[in-house]
Amino acid sequence: NAGVTQTPKFQVLKTGQSMTLQCAQDMNHNSMYWYRQDPGMGLRLIYYSASEGTTDKGEVPNGYNVSRLNKREFSLRLESAAPSQTSVYFCASSDGTSGRPGELFFGEGSRLTVL
Amino acid sequence: ILNVEQSPQSLHVQEGDSTNFTCSFPSSNFYALHWYRWETAKSPEALFVMTLNGDEKKKGQISATLNTKEGYSYLYIKGSQPEDSATYLCAFGGRDTGRRALTFGSGTRLQVQP
Repeated sequence: NAGVTQTPKFQVLKTGQSMTLQCAQDMNHNSMYWYRQDPGMGLRLIYYSASEGTTDKGEVPNGYNVSRLNKREFSLRLESAAPSQTSVYFCASSDGTSGRPGELFFGEGSRLTVL
Repeated sequence: ILNVEQSPQSLHVQEGDSTNFTCSFPSSNFYALHWYRWETAKSPEALFVMTLNGDEKKKGQISATLNTKEGYSYLYIKGSQPEDSATYLCAFGGRDTGRRALTFGSGTRLQVQP
């Protein structure tokens, strides 16, 4: 049971470089999310996609873009990485009703360091 | 920005102690309150999803209660074991159509000493 798979697990970037975090889920969930986790701050929502074909900003969207490629895949792109984007990134999916999130299933996290 | 607060931030207890944590959230536009357990080096995993005022859920020695009118939920662990050591996160889901996603608290980190 793969569940939610995100890649890469670790990445080191230099300031100004770009990269894309990939996320895929095999549970046929409608909704997918990207969160970042920083010490003492819990999980903060970057972007989410309530259903295929839609994306919306969360609390901390600046510096990021997303693509809901299809129902399975939701990618997060850093166009020009900054040290403030050093964090652990989690992708999650859920299959709620009426667009409201049900239980979230998380990927294993991607640790990104921007030098 | 929604305010979801958890207390305490961290807790150290001895094996066998019972403990509880609090999650407070906006009492208006409530849809759901989730609890997640997050072990070090792993992903958060759902413990409970609660949607009704007065809900009580139980899984093993862990239970949770919900008061949507006053905007709080308690998580109880009876007879803590070292394997209960983890960060416990609560997350609020509102009916606000502007955001169909959960807002997380910053978590309570529990350390159970053998």
